[in-house]
Amino acid sequence: SQQGEEDPQALSIQEGENATMNCSYKTSINNLQWYRQNSGRGLVHLILIRSNEREKHSGRLRVTLDTSKKSSSLLITASRAADTASYFCATGGDKIIFGKGTRLHILP
Amino acid sequence: DAGVIQSPRHEVTEMGQEVTLRCKPISGHDYLFWYRQTMMRGLELLIYFNNNVPIDDSGMPEDRFSAKMPNASFSTLKIQPSEPRDSAVYFCASSLSTYGYTFGSGTRLTVV
Repeated sequence: SQQGEEDPQALSIQEGENATMNCSYKTSINNLQWYRQNSGRGLVHLILIRSNEREKHSGRLRVTLDTSKKSSSLLITASRAADTASYFCATGGDKIIFGKGTRLHILP
Repeated sequence: DAGVIQSPRHEVTEMGQEVTLRCKPISGHDYLFWYRQTMMRGLELLIYFNNNVPIDDSGMPEDRFSAKMPNASFSTLKIQPSEPRDSAVYFCASSLSTYGYTFGSGTRLTVV
């Protein structure tokens, strides 16, 4: 197991803009996952990208993975107020250690 | 499926009292995890089970914490005696073969 580290810690953007969050990790992985946590709620699984994939889309979400740099990015296009939340990356394994996340705030 | 169900949603107790948190995982999931979340320390993994067997409890803070999973559909996390520093939101999550955890809504514990 290992911990992903998200960057930046906090991000504020205007509604309609795109939001990009980054994740770095230290050792080789089988897959990488992104989660969202709305205030006062549990984490929600957003997307999983396998180590042999470079890019994956799900609706307004786009995830990239660069295993040579041990990094991933999550792009949210055309942001909405409902996207205000904390976002966490997590690497696969028998247990997931979550980082501190990126707190995203969408301004009206 | 109703998802991962945790109870109670909120618990306020006095220091020294026993607290029991409950979790019903998604049917068919073979992994169950207990996490604790605070502003200071973020999300901490306390313990996880595979097929009802505890695999790693290295995150349990001290002997006051214990967790059980008597069957595939139920788990408890017990704190005895509770202390104010145990105040946090406790999450239960389950998964099938560690891909894509499903989290419960959490139990907000306040120890006064």
